[in-house]
Amino acid sequence: GAGVSQSPRYKVAKRGQDVALRCDPISGHVSLFWYQQALGQGPEFLTYFQNEAQLDKSGLPSDRFFAERPEGSVSTLKIQRTQQEDSAVYLCASSLPPPNTEAFFGQGTRLTVV
Amino acid sequence: GQNIDQPTEMTATEGAIVQINCTYQTSGFNGLFWYQQHAGEAPTFLSYNVLDGLEEKGRFSSFLSRSKGYSYLLLKELQMKDSASYLCAALTGANNLFFGTGTRLTVIP
Repeated sequence: GAGVSQSPRYKVAKRGQDVALRCDPISGHVSLFWYQQALGQGPEFLTYFQNEAQLDKSGLPSDRFFAERPEGSVSTLKIQRTQQEDSAVYLCASSLPPPNTEAFFGQGTRLTVV
Repeated sequence: GQNIDQPTEMTATEGAIVQINCTYQTSGFNGLFWYQQHAGEAPTFLSYNVLDGLEEKGRFSSFLSRSKGYSYLLLKELQMKDSASYLCAALTGANNLFFGTGTRLTVIP
């Protein structure tokens, strides 16, 4: 596609529910990043893939968060047993390998846990 | 760990010049990005510096000093539409991208 696509755009989950957020990166982009952005804050790093390999997951806040990219393209961020503090915008970005390292962002998924 | 610092908020007058500073400490370094983010929208790319010096692109310029771990974004001839958050992001040695908390710029008439 022309850009990074994320779905759903908005998700309301009841506390304790599991959610899955999808990211379709730009075709051919090797690197894929997930960020969590609270209102008025910068994007907080969650995890980073290069192709299908998850190279860094140090930003995942707890073991309730899990991300995968099994075929090196589409990625899914799963949050189990959602809590209110998980409410945020989840941004996905993708980029080509260096030196063309500009990251392109999707529109994000706004998750509200009630 | 990674540490990226920038001011939380700035205010400037339409037509003026504003400089937004950023300092960084990362595990390895492969470049410094500036992104613009309007409320409720995704960040959009403004600039990328990997070598020391000033990169100019229209009304926006970005500067990098690798030895000082310092960058700034310079916005000239400010317009009301420049009111947004400006995000500094460092690319680590492992090509991971970490962001600062963002600087919310308000342009006033």
